[in-house]
Amino acid sequence: DAKTTQPPSMDCAEGRAANLPCNHSTISGNEYVYWYRQIHSQGPQYIIHGLKNNETNEMASLIITEDRKSSTLILPHATLRDTAVYYCIVINYNFNKFYFGSGTKLNVKP
Amino acid sequence: EAQVTQNPRYLITVTGKKLTVTCSQNMNHEYMSWYRQDPGLGLRQIYYSMNVEVTDKGDVPEGYKVSRKEKRNFPLILESPSPNQTSLYFCASSLDLYSYEQYFGPGTRLTVT
Repeated sequence: DAKTTQPPSMDCAEGRAANLPCNHSTISGNEYVYWYRQIHSQGPQYIIHGLKNNETNEMASLIITEDRKSSTLILPHATLRDTAVYYCIVINYNFNKFYFGSGTKLNVKP
Repeated sequence: EAQVTQNPRYLITVTGKKLTVTCSQNMNHEYMSWYRQDPGLGLRQIYYSMNVEVTDKGDVPEGYKVSRKEKRNFPLILESPSPNQTSLYFCASSLDLYSYEQYFGPGTRLTVT
């Protein structure tokens, strides 16, 4: 399975867009990119996922580069409640496993 | 309410004393999984189950056992806990492996002295 690389932490001003990058340079054609977040020590929460097209839902947008080696999660108007650790995960359904990595701690500041 | 429950939420125990952490989901999900979370290491998958009586190892299975006798339950068993198993444990479930969303339980904080 492809592994991911994320910056350990990022800051964002409240009300501004938060752009969280993720590198997955060894991703293969049948592997999906998922994003989860974890607030404090609660159980992680699903945000969004994609294969190669950009995706948007009520929580966020996911931009995947054309070569699929990296992606960006966009929170369009970050609030204090978006302060959390964000995990970028690459999933290969053939292997039935999930690799969460260390994630990015997003600090949204007033 | 659709949820994944874990018990206990907090547990302090001693080395070698067998323990079980229960996990139950009420969503009729086929796929269930256990993770441990340690500072700086993110979440690591311990075991997973594709369905009743079907379980397999994740990344860090050593020292753990699981069983899946019923669809809703997926207990995690530590036969002889050691201090390096002190961690925050999460159970998760999804409709099946190919469903995009895993639902996570609230976590169990285990301390082994």
